[in-house]
Amino acid sequence: GEDVEQSLFLSVREGDSSVINCTYTDSSSTYLYWYKQEPGAGLQLLTYIFSNMDMKQDQRLTVLLNKKDKHLSLRIADTQTGDSAIYFCARGGGYNKLIFGAGTRLAVHP
Amino acid sequence: GAVVSQHPSRVICKSGTSVKIECRSLDFQATTMFWYRQFPKQSLMLMATSNEGSKATYEQGVEKDKFLINHASLTLSTLTVTSAHPEDSSFYICSAHPAQGNEQYFGPGTRLTVT
Repeated sequence: GEDVEQSLFLSVREGDSSVINCTYTDSSSTYLYWYKQEPGAGLQLLTYIFSNMDMKQDQRLTVLLNKKDKHLSLRIADTQTGDSAIYFCARGGGYNKLIFGAGTRLAVHP
Repeated sequence: GAVVSQHPSRVICKSGTSVKIECRSLDFQATTMFWYRQFPKQSLMLMATSNEGSKATYEQGVEKDKFLINHASLTLSTLTVTSAHPEDSSFYICSAHPAQGNEQYFGPGTRLTVT
């Protein structure tokens, strides 16, 4: 299987919470990242977590890391239509490289 | 915040011609720049790592003679797609890594269409 895996699509109602999940196989990364990509644009770093942390919260974003299960999640509270985008999970791959998942397309509907 | 620009944002070229894409870090010095390729609805594929003043390191399967990378200064890297073919049509994204810190900053991308 792929190194970093994500489900491809998530649909949520406006105001609900969104949870985007990611699994990875290589646990050597020091940092794990979440990026957001809007249509036709580059990537915007949303947040990242150090590998010895379990959780990080930044306003509406909560990142959970389960190192034992090699599972990373991003929770977006009170999801808005402006949150509709593709969300990429990435791990540090050494020499400052990033290894990306395939991206989860988040659709927010009224 | 750190800003990375790419030029052009969109380019259409004829098969057999070469196209140069520029990546600039506008307000910081980037010791390392990365070039990615993204196919529609797919993830970013790392093509090469470019360190200022040295040869780029290409990922497996990426042709170095076809995708020429130059990182002549701490704020500029260029990717030249030589003898472009329709299968080279893609979205090319660069990122820049400053000397300090663990973040990469991404450019807005360049959409290349080869006809």
